[in-house]
Amino acid sequence: DTGVSQNPRHKITKRGQNVTFRCDPISEHNRLYWYRQTLGQGPEFLTYFQNEAQLEKSRLLSDRFSAERPKGSFSTLEIQRTEQGDSAMYLCASSGRTGSYGMNTEAFFGQGTRLTVV
Amino acid sequence: AQSVTQPDIHITVSEGASLELRCNYSYGATPYLFWYVQSPGQGLQLLLKYFSGDTLVQGIKGFEAEFKRSQSSFNLRKPSVHWSDAAEYFCAVSVNYGGSQGNLIFGKGTKLSVKP
Repeated sequence: DTGVSQNPRHKITKRGQNVTFRCDPISEHNRLYWYRQTLGQGPEFLTYFQNEAQLEKSRLLSDRFSAERPKGSFSTLEIQRTEQGDSAMYLCASSGRTGSYGMNTEAFFGQGTRLTVV
Repeated sequence: AQSVTQPDIHITVSEGASLELRCNYSYGATPYLFWYVQSPGQGLQLLLKYFSGDTLVQGIKGFEAEFKRSQSSFNLRKPSVHWSDAAEYFCAVSVNYGGSQGNLIFGKGTKLSVKP
């Protein structure tokens, strides 16, 4: 397994356009998370899936943002009508269970998608 | 509300010198605590984590951290810094929904520079 994969790595878009990012988690992981990281800040939690169910959404996730994980595998994060304030690194992470006792693992992060809105 | 504070935005140390990065947290219950490292343009890599038990935890790359409940701190240490340790370091606390370790609140990070 090559870890968490995010595509594209970089995206430049004009204000008002829609963008979609994809995240492929580690294959056996049932939990998937999206974070946003702006310059000089730590990552901020956006949303969380357990299998295909979206269990938690941050107040940061405005109605222009939507995330899906239709088959409990890969996930997409769409931003509609992008604004300059959406420029950030969008990080995806996954976690799952390991070992005979099914202990939860820590979150493994992808390399992120850097969005620039011009 | 839960929060994590990393008081030092930027630290510079000489190669071979010891390092301590500070982290304070605010969390009502027993915290799950983490240190992650991020190199430029990269994702985050876990250095170590604390759940319970021994308050001194060992991690990868020679890092260790000590949990002090009385001080609400989880400081990261390394006895001898290498040039390759230059990166940004994030302390985080898990909100722990149903055992999930990925619902994290991060500090703002400490950027580490290493002088030759």
